[in-house]
Amino acid sequence: NAGVTQTPKFQVLKTGQSMTLQCAQDMNHNSMYWYRQDPGMGLRLIYYSASEGTTDKGEVPNGYNVSRLNKREFSLRLESAAPSQTSVYFCASSEGRRGIGNTIYFGEGSWLTVV
Amino acid sequence: AQSVTQLGSHVSVSEGALVLLRCNYSSSVPPYLFWYVQYPNQGLQLLLKYTSAATLVKGINGFEAEFKKSETSFHLTKPSAHMSDAAEYFCAVSDWQRDDKIIFGKGTRLHILP
Repeated sequence: NAGVTQTPKFQVLKTGQSMTLQCAQDMNHNSMYWYRQDPGMGLRLIYYSASEGTTDKGEVPNGYNVSRLNKREFSLRLESAAPSQTSVYFCASSEGRRGIGNTIYFGEGSWLTVV
Repeated sequence: AQSVTQLGSHVSVSEGALVLLRCNYSSSVPPYLFWYVQYPNQGLQLLLKYTSAATLVKGINGFEAEFKKSETSFHLTKPSAHMSDAAEYFCAVSDWQRDDKIIFGKGTRLHILP
């Protein structure tokens, strides 16, 4: 029962470097999400994908790009990392059916430090 | 835009005492509301959710929450705290009529005193 799997779990980047966080879910979910978690700020939505081929900006999209490669995979890319992007990143997915109050299932998180 | 406000970033209760974590929402339409829990170094997991059926919602581990439209609140309670309840709790809201996005509050860390 893998659920939502994200890699890498830990990463240290230098300012200006680029990297991609990978995420895959095996629950045949339509919707996928990327959140970042910072102390005192809760979880903030970076990007959201309602279905394969669609993406939508969340609360804090600046500095990030996403790709919904197929139904299973949703990657998050930092093109030029900045210290302000030091955070814990969570990928999540949900069934994505309207009107039922979809439960979101989270990955275990990726700890990213930008120095 | 929809949002949730959690009152108190840290709450401490004694073991066996009542747990009350507060959440107020702002939404132009009746929303769906959720409580999630996060244990250290883990992702979030669903405790309970309100989807316009019964206003009193029961969740896992003895938690429950009541939707009060007149107060725009969705407070989380548990009659008797256990040491294992120590975690961070997040209230969240979804404007289900528009899309499937879920917006989280800033979280409340619950400390259980022996």
